[in-house]
Amino acid sequence: QKEVEQDPGPLSVPEGAIVSLNCTYSNSAFQYFMWYRQYSRKGPELLMYTYSSGNKEDGRFTAQVDKSSKYISLFIRDSQPSDSATYLCAMVQGAQKLVFGQGTRLTINP
Amino acid sequence: DTAVSQTPKYLVTQMGNDKSIKCEQNLGHDTMYWYKQDSKKFLKIMFSYNNKELIINETVPNRFSPKSPDKAHLNLHINSLELGDSAVYFCASSQGQGIAGGLTDTQYFGPGTRLTVL
Repeated sequence: QKEVEQDPGPLSVPEGAIVSLNCTYSNSAFQYFMWYRQYSRKGPELLMYTYSSGNKEDGRFTAQVDKSSKYISLFIRDSQPSDSATYLCAMVQGAQKLVFGQGTRLTINP
Repeated sequence: DTAVSQTPKYLVTQMGNDKSIKCEQNLGHDTMYWYKQDSKKFLKIMFSYNNKELIINETVPNRFSPKSPDKAHLNLHINSLELGDSAVYFCASSQGQGIAGGLTDTQYFGPGTRLTVL
């Protein structure tokens, strides 16, 4: 079993829809949770960063962490075609190492 | 200005060859990393260096050897290339010493080097 599980998709939604992306994890030692966005043929870039359970909002993006269920989510409101990318969740364990999910490929259709 | 740059962008080579990928960051960061992303998009850390000192060395074949001539550069040399080495290799850097919390440890990724071994 992988430490971080993420549905690779692909996920295709119409413009303006609310998108929900999720990851589950098995290692309760993970403390920090991140979402990276990776456009085609580019490197990942940090989108959201959270530490505690609960919600964190940044513009159209909301990151949610539920440590008791070992489950994290990223919501995108009013999705735009420019949001089309692969979204990777990432988590930190004490050994100074980022552990990534497989990434979900998202397409927003105009 | 490119923050983290890698050369070459594409590398096509034959099995058994030795090749190097170069990485440079102009962010003044102390820590640099190499990641491998396979065809299924799994991104996995290989090495990290902090101030030219090896910090993380994941279970990677000895054919892979990172070299950090200075804080701004981390090169990856691969000996005796195999078919399974085909992947996209990403360099990254962070200000802090990896991930101890806080945005100072945010990792910035380069554009990647797509390696194809024939």
